Amino acid sequence: LAKTTQPISMDSYEGQEVNITCSHNNIATNDYITWYQQFPSQGPRFIIQGYKTKVTNEVASLFIPADRKSSTLSLPRVSLSDTAVYYCLVGDSQAGTALIFGKGTTLSVSS
Amino acid sequence: KAGVTQTPRYLIKTRGQQVTLSCSPISGHRSVSWYQQTPGQGLQFLFEYFSETQRNKGNFPGRFSGRQFSNSRSEMNVSTLELGDSALYLCASSLPSGSYEQYFGPGTRLTVT
Repeated sequence: LAKTTQPISMDSYEGQEVNITCSHNNIATNDYITWYQQFPSQGPRFIIQGYKTKVTNEVASLFIPADRKSSTLSLPRVSLSDTAVYYCLVGDSQAGTALIFGKGTTLSVSS
Repeated sequence: KAGVTQTPRYLIKTRGQQVTLSCSPISGHRSVSWYQQTPGQGLQFLFEYFSETQRNKGNFPGRFSGRQFSNSRSEMNVSTLELGDSALYLCASSLPSGSYEQYFGPGTRLTVT
């Protein structure tokens, strides 16, 4: 599985847009990029997944440049309830479903 | 549609005992994976079951085992509990096997004393 690198922590204020970038230099051709969110003492929650260019859903956008060596999770107008740990995962679903979580990015949103 | 359910939510056991945790996946999901989360090691993959067969296994000792039933419900068992087994045990289900879009349950908080 490709190794991912994310910032350990980020701070933001309510109403701002937050962009969390993940580096995955050795991403393979079949790999997808997946982001999860986790609140304390809860299971991770699937946010978004993409392969290339841009993916958008009701909670976030995922931007993937042409070389796919990085990706950016964009959270529009964050609120206090977006304070959580965000994990970037990269892997080939054909190789199995063992999600390998790194340390993630702890996002703290203040008022 | 109901989410992933795990029972019990909290459990206290003594060293040397064994424990069985249960997971019911989202209806229609046939793949169930188990994870252990501790403050020191973070989230670690234990194993995955699909159609009653273990497809993938993480790097955990043989004291950790699991099984899946024909209705896709899954159980994991930990024998000869150690203090270090204290953790949040999470179960996740997905529709096809091999999907990175997994849905996690609330977890079982196991404390070993």
